[in-house]
Amino acid sequence: ETGVTQSPTHLIKTRGQQVTLRCSSQSGHNTVSWYQQALGQGPQFIFQYYREEENGRGNFPPRFSGLQFPNYSSELNVNALELDDSALYLCASSWGGGGSYEQYFGPGTRLTVT
Amino acid sequence: DAKTTQPTSMDCAEGRAANLPCNHSTISGNEYVYWYRQIHSQGPQYIIHGLKNNETNEMASLIITEDRKSSTLILPHATLRDTAVYYCIVRARGTTGANSKLTFGKGITLSVRP
Repeated sequence: ETGVTQSPTHLIKTRGQQVTLRCSSQSGHNTVSWYQQALGQGPQFIFQYYREEENGRGNFPPRFSGLQFPNYSSELNVNALELDDSALYLCASSWGGGGSYEQYFGPGTRLTVT
Repeated sequence: DAKTTQPTSMDCAEGRAANLPCNHSTISGNEYVYWYRQIHSQGPQYIIHGLKNNETNEMASLIITEDRKSSTLILPHATLRDTAVYYCIVRARGTTGANSKLTFGKGITLSVRP
């Protein structure tokens, strides 16, 4: 059984650019949730993808978007990057639209916007 | 906003039990108590969850008070590798989408000293 993986590990972008982050879910899981963690804060829910569709969204603007593929891997896209988007981006894998007990997190992608 | 309150930090000696408290006075009848931990710059790791009975697994024990308004996570023999931020979260099981999100507070920083 493979765990949750994310790529890239680190990324540096310039304000105004666009970025794509990737997540491979744990084997057998069909749901991916994305979280943003600013320095010194707990992770904040961005959105969830279930069966290739967005299945719930937190308080993030539309320039945060995503995709889920038939193999349940997922992408997070952020357009028009702002300095405040600098954070650790985490994806969490689960089953059944998130209703399972546990969500398993990947190691995260550290995004720095300059 | 997080539905739980935790002390900011605590420490304990290696080999001793670490007892991490959490208050969740507004918990609903269908909400479970979850504990996750996050070692520096890694993704959160699921530890344990419970509804009203005490629970134990290979990592920890969870003691929930009879009125369910508070709980304690117990690491029976803390090691240096247990140094991390520990998050106490309440969430209803079976919810999907945005309702299944994990709402993290700032957690409690546990420092295990040699």
